[in-house]
Amino acid sequence: QQQVKQSPQSLIVQKGGISIINCAYENTAFDYFPWYQQFPGKGPALLIAIRPDVSEKKEGRFTISFNKSAKQFSLHIMDSQPGDSATYFCAATQRSNDYKLSFGAGTTVTVRA
Amino acid sequence: DTGVSQDPRHKITKRGQNVTFRCDPISEHNRLYWYRQTLGQGPEFLTYFQNEAQLEKSRLLSDRFSAERPKGSFSTLEIQRTEQGDSAMYLCASSLDRQGQGYTFGSGTRLTVV
Repeated sequence: QQQVKQSPQSLIVQKGGISIINCAYENTAFDYFPWYQQFPGKGPALLIAIRPDVSEKKEGRFTISFNKSAKQFSLHIMDSQPGDSATYFCAATQRSNDYKLSFGAGTTVTVRA
Repeated sequence: DTGVSQDPRHKITKRGQNVTFRCDPISEHNRLYWYRQTLGQGPEFLTYFQNEAQLEKSRLLSDRFSAERPKGSFSTLEIQRTEQGDSAMYLCASSLDRQGQGYTFGSGTRLTVV
C-alpha cells in the first residue's frame, strides 16, 4: 500500500505565484522526509529535506512545513518561475529501514509565464 | 565522476525477450538502489546493495528479475521473459552508507515491451 499520500496530482500557477503541495504519512517511524524534483527524461533530484524535530525548513524559494502531530508535510514554492515546471515527489524514509524511500505519487507543476 | 550513469537510456524489446540494464554509481558510494517508476507514479523500491551484498529484494521483484553488483562497483538488473507489465522507467541510485540524504539518482532506463 502507498505509505505516502500526495496531493494535488497537478497544479497550474502563474509566474510569481505560490505552489503548495501536500503529503501525509502513517508510519510514525519515518525520520527523514525529502522532496524530489523530476524533469522529463531525468531521474529525481533531491530538492530539500526535513527531519521531524523541525517544523519548517527553508532553502531559497523552497520551504517545507512539517506537522508531526498531524503526520503531514508540505512544500511551498514561492515566486514560482517557468523553470520550476516539473514533477515533484514527496518521500519518507527511516534509518532503521536503511533509508529505502517511499514516494508519493507526484505532483506535476506548470508555471505559466 | 559526474554522477550515476545508466545504460541504455531506452530499450524496446519484444515480449518474452531478456534484457539487461547497467548502472554505474558514484565511485565512493557503497550503497546502490534500484527503483521502478511507471507513468504517473512515484518510484517504487526494488532492491539494494551494500558493496557487493544484496541486502533486500522487494516483493515487486519476481523470479524473472535478478540483480548483481560484482565487486561492489557497477550493478546490472536483468529481466527474463519480459512481459508488457514490465514496461517502466528503471532508476538506479547510490548513496554513501547510511546517509539517507545522500541519494543520487541516475537518469534511468526506459523499457518498453511490445
